[in-house]
Amino acid sequence: DAGVIQSPRHEVTEMGQEVTLRCKPISGHNSLFWYRQTMMRGLELLIYFNNNVPIDDSGMPEDRFSAKMPNASFSTLKIQPSEPRDSAVYFCASRTGMTTEAFFGQGTRLTVV
Amino acid sequence: GENVEQHPSTLSVQEGDSAVIKCTYSDSASNYFPWYKQELGKGPQLIIDIRSNVGEKKDQRIAVTLNKTAKHFSLHITETQPEDSAVYFCAANPGGSQGNLIFGKGTKLSVKP
Repeated sequence: DAGVIQSPRHEVTEMGQEVTLRCKPISGHNSLFWYRQTMMRGLELLIYFNNNVPIDDSGMPEDRFSAKMPNASFSTLKIQPSEPRDSAVYFCASRTGMTTEAFFGQGTRLTVV
Repeated sequence: GENVEQHPSTLSVQEGDSAVIKCTYSDSASNYFPWYKQELGKGPQLIIDIRSNVGEKKDQRIAVTLNKTAKHFSLHITETQPEDSAVYFCAANPGGSQGNLIFGKGTKLSVKP
C-alpha cells in the first residue's frame, strides 16, 4: 500500500479564495482524521470520521471550514473563503481499531497571502 | 476534554547520551498512549505505543513507561544517534474511545555528534 496520500503537497492562494485539500486513506482503514499543524498550536484535530460518518467536528475552527467523506477511499477538507491565519500544514491520517497506529500522510502546506 | 502536556519543548543531547521526554494527560479513561516521530517535511510516524494494561514497553533503544495513577508517561531513548534528531509527539485517546488522538505540543530533539 502507498500509505495515506494527500494532495496537493503545497498550495499558495490568495485571501478569499476557496481551497480544497484531498486525502486518500489506507485501504481497509475505517477511521480518518484531519489535523492542522502550526508552530503555536502544534497538532490540532479538526475532524474525524468513522466509516465515512463525521463523529466529532468540534475542532473545526469556523464555518469557513467543511469536510466530507463521500466514500471509504476519499475525503476533502475545504476552506471558503480562506484567510492568512489559515496558513498551516494540514495532515490527514487513517487507522483501524481503537488502539492502533494512526498513519499520517505527507501533509499539505497551505499558504494564504 | 483531554489535555496532554509535553516537556521539554526542546532538548539537546550529545551523541551516545540518553534523552527523556515526559507527558501528562488529564482523562483517566484514556487507555492508549502512542509516541510519534516527525522528521522535517514529513508526517508524524509511530515509533512506539503503550496500552494502559502495561507499565513499560521496550523496543531496542527506545522505551516508554506509563504511570496510570499519576497520569503520566515518558519516552526514553538510549545511546542517541544523530538520526534520532526530530520532533517527538506524545498522544492519548480521550475517553478510551475509538476516536481521536490528542497530541502534546512536541519536543524538538537535537543530537550533537
